Amino acid sequence: DAKTTQPNSMESNEEEPVHLPCNHSTISGTDYIHWYRQLPSQGPEYVIHGLTSNVNNRMASLAIAEDRKSSTLILHRATLRDAAVYYCILRDSGGGADGLTFGKGTHLIIQP
Amino acid sequence: DAMVIQNPRYQVTQFGKPVTLSCSQTLNHNVMYWYQQKSSQAPKLLFHYYDKDFNNEADTPDNFQSRRPNTSFCFLDIRSPGLGDAAMYLCATSRGVGTPAYGYTFGSGTRLTVV
Repeated sequence: DAKTTQPNSMESNEEEPVHLPCNHSTISGTDYIHWYRQLPSQGPEYVIHGLTSNVNNRMASLAIAEDRKSSTLILHRATLRDAAVYYCILRDSGGGADGLTFGKGTHLIIQP
Repeated sequence: DAMVIQNPRYQVTQFGKPVTLSCSQTLNHNVMYWYQQKSSQAPKLLFHYYDKDFNNEADTPDNFQSRRPNTSFCFLDIRSPGLGDAAMYLCATSRGVGTPAYGYTFGSGTRLTVV
């Protein structure tokens, strides 16, 4: 699976939108973009994923650049409960049931 | 409604004494995974079962074994825990075919302490 690059940490204020960037310049046409987050002392939690089009769900939005070399996870209104490590991971659609390979992720800090 | 359940949440074991961690799922997923996560590090895949087929990662130590007696349950056995095996152990599941198009579901983890 292709590699992703994320900032080590980001800080935001409560009730404000948060934009978490992810660069994946070597992405292939069959790579899905997955986002997971891990709250303190918890297992990773699925957030959202997409292939080409922007995606929305109850947790977040995923904006995918037209050339797919980058993407942005958008939390529309951050709460203190959103403080977590956010992982951007690529998974090749042909990769079968292989597990996720986690990078270092972005540590999101939410200020009250 | 917990879908991937790990027991116990915290486990303390003695150096060299075999220990087993358990994972169960209510999703009827074909694939079950075990990850190790040491303090301040990202989760690292140890192995996975696709149905009854076991798939070991190349760098997983022989000290770690796994069993999957049925679809719902999967166990992680550490034969002779060392101090370096203290970590959070995470279980995850996926459907199997088409997994990249769907996703993975994780349990809350078992934190293992070796004394």
